[in-house]
Amino acid sequence: QVQLVESGGGLVKPGGSLRLSCAASGFAFSDYYMSWIRQAPGKGLEWISLISHSGPDTIYYADSVKGRFTISRDNAKNSLYLQMDSLRAEDTAVYYCARDIGSVATTGAYDYWGQGALVTVSS
Amino acid sequence: QSVLTQPPSVSGAPGQRITISCTGSSSNIGAGYDVHWYQQLPGTAPKLLIYGNSNRPSGVPDRFSGSKSGTSASLAITGLQAEDEADYYCQSYDSNLSVLYVFGTGTKVTVL
Repeated sequence: QVQLVESGGGLVKPGGSLRLSCAASGFAFSDYYMSWIRQAPGKGLEWISLISHSGPDTIYYADSVKGRFTISRDNAKNSLYLQMDSLRAEDTAVYYCARDIGSVATTGAYDYWGQGALVTVSS
Repeated sequence: QSVLTQPPSVSGAPGQRITISCTGSSSNIGAGYDVHWYQQLPGTAPKLLIYGNSNRPSGVPDRFSGSKSGTSASLAITGLQAEDEADYYCQSYDSNLSVLYVFGTGTKVTVL
């Protein structure tokens, strides 16, 4: 069955860095666009980044994280990553990796989500 | 800040039909982009309920249905059940350069 498992969350000081990983299994990872979506405590969902199935040729970021976060993937390892630098208090959230329902093209509909990784930015 | 507006809460008795609205603009729903809907139970990841305005993924009961018209979309739940008590979010593409995809503000559904 399809599984997405995030890891790498934790407590970090403002200005610090953290790298999230998302291990995928149960499907042809290299065929799917993937995204990171976050949810601040008690708040709604916020889309933050997308990467195409083949990697760096198509990458998008929300303005709120552009220049600070970097999305990447390793199809050989069935893994998605989010490098987060210059972290701010407002980046505190649960971070989800999610699979786009469309194969080899983005639709924006996410049919599988990880369990989430909590990132807390605080001094 | 979300550009898709939903009512904060909707409630209904078991067995009733409720609808959740999602109001956008000419840069997202009104431009013809698809709307998707998610259900989020407390403490869990969101679950895709409706994609492409009105399509249900395998395993989603036909009690859930979606529609779109103009700059708005709606999610209807018929035969409301206690297990439907959750937060619901709409989502669409937005042509605004600051973000690719936007989510709605979210609606808490309470089963009375």
